[in-house]
Amino acid sequence: AQSVTQLGSHVSVSEGALVLLRCNYSSSVPPYLFWYVQYPNQGLQLLLKYTSAATLVKGINGFEAEFKKSETSFHLTKPSAHMSDAAEYFCAVSNSGGGADGLTFGKGTHLIIQP
Amino acid sequence: NAGVTQTPKFRILKIGQSMTLQCAQDMNHNYMYWYRQDPGMGLKLIYYSVGAGITDKGEVPNGYNVSRSTTEDFPLRLELAAPSQTSVYFCASSTGLNEQYFGPGTRLTVT
Repeated sequence: AQSVTQLGSHVSVSEGALVLLRCNYSSSVPPYLFWYVQYPNQGLQLLLKYTSAATLVKGINGFEAEFKKSETSFHLTKPSAHMSDAAEYFCAVSNSGGGADGLTFGKGTHLIIQP
Repeated sequence: NAGVTQTPKFRILKIGQSMTLQCAQDMNHNYMYWYRQDPGMGLKLIYYSVGAGITDKGEVPNGYNVSRSTTEDFPLRLELAAPSQTSVYFCASSTGLNEQYFGPGTRLTVT
């Protein structure tokens, strides 16, 4: 069975500082990994995805993530935080190759940006 | 192109009542999904469908039913609503390869 652990339910950074959101996964098959962002009272929007190509994945809004198989990690980073980045972030792993039978999500990390 | 649409946006049910949450997509995706999101938790998969006429259970299917008579629609039925079903429900669709596209959600309260 797949599982995702997001370390830290809340992360607070200053505007302009580095953002680092941690995600570790467990998968019985080669994983497809995703980061989604959720703004208040909205659905989820895909930030980026890893699908067994390049291990460093670039997404929207200046975010990127690096797949590290040896560490079973897929941490999300952004060099300089902006106030508009305040949101809930979810890491997810496919239940099977490609995610055709759904995704398993972490519990989420609430990102707070301090002015 | 509306993407994934869900109705209603909000609903309050009394214990024991039934209702259907509607989901439609206009992207011609074969794969559709229902998730629920509880406070402080990630999304959990309720049911999914790989095409019209084919559905399968996810992680938390008890208390729910689905049907898929067309490619576009994937309604979720709650029978005999219980307080434990208070949640935000998200529908999603995909081509089956990678990205899932999510609807705006339905916030359901059972009292």
